[in-house]
Amino acid sequence: GAGVSQSPSNKVTEKGKDVELRCDPISGHTALYWYRQRLGQGLEFLIYFQGNSAPDKSGLPSDRFSAERTGESVSTLTIQRTQQEDSAVYLCASGTRGYNEQFFGPGTRLTVL
Amino acid sequence: SQQGEEDPQALSIQEGENATMNCSYKTSINNLQWYRQNSGRGLVHLILIRSNEREKHSGRLRVTLDTSKKSSSLLITASRAADTASYFCATDAWAGGTSYGKLTFGQGTILTVHP
Repeated sequence: GAGVSQSPSNKVTEKGKDVELRCDPISGHTALYWYRQRLGQGLEFLIYFQGNSAPDKSGLPSDRFSAERTGESVSTLTIQRTQQEDSAVYLCASGTRGYNEQFFGPGTRLTVL
Repeated sequence: SQQGEEDPQALSIQEGENATMNCSYKTSINNLQWYRQNSGRGLVHLILIRSNEREKHSGRLRVTLDTSKKSSSLLITASRAADTASYFCATDAWAGGTSYGKLTFGQGTILTVHP
């Protein structure tokens, strides 16, 4: 497909479990972003990858959150020892450097019981 | 606080009316963008206006930018029920002669257009 894809679309987990969320960006996009959106809220920046540069992790809320990206392809966001406050929609976006328009995936709705 | 802050938080209008949403920001920017989100998912890029532009049009959308006041407005003319969505502004900060490329989103305006 031509757009950003994310998997799973929904994830229900128990408190204390680890979860891994996946993002497939648009081919050729060097920039990749992860955001979190709580119900009725705006987007909360988590992490930003740009090419082979060191990622900007300034938005990660705690050391339970981490993300990786291999080159300019797939990215995974991992949340360890999930808490109920981690429940949110996790959105991934990709873009080209310079132009800065972001193309968003459909998101992963995470529910921590 | 958010770099981009939208005003109003919620707007309710009748079909055919115009809808105006405002966005204020704090730092120098390279560009400002507006996005729409339906049903809590799926953000879609609407329009981008660069810091050296003052007004831009796209179909029924009109965006203005006033860098002296650090504010932008999004006007949707002749609104339709399908325009019901949340609208977010996002800014791309400018520093040291280059764009960092990281967008900062505001909290959004919830627009409801009644048929």
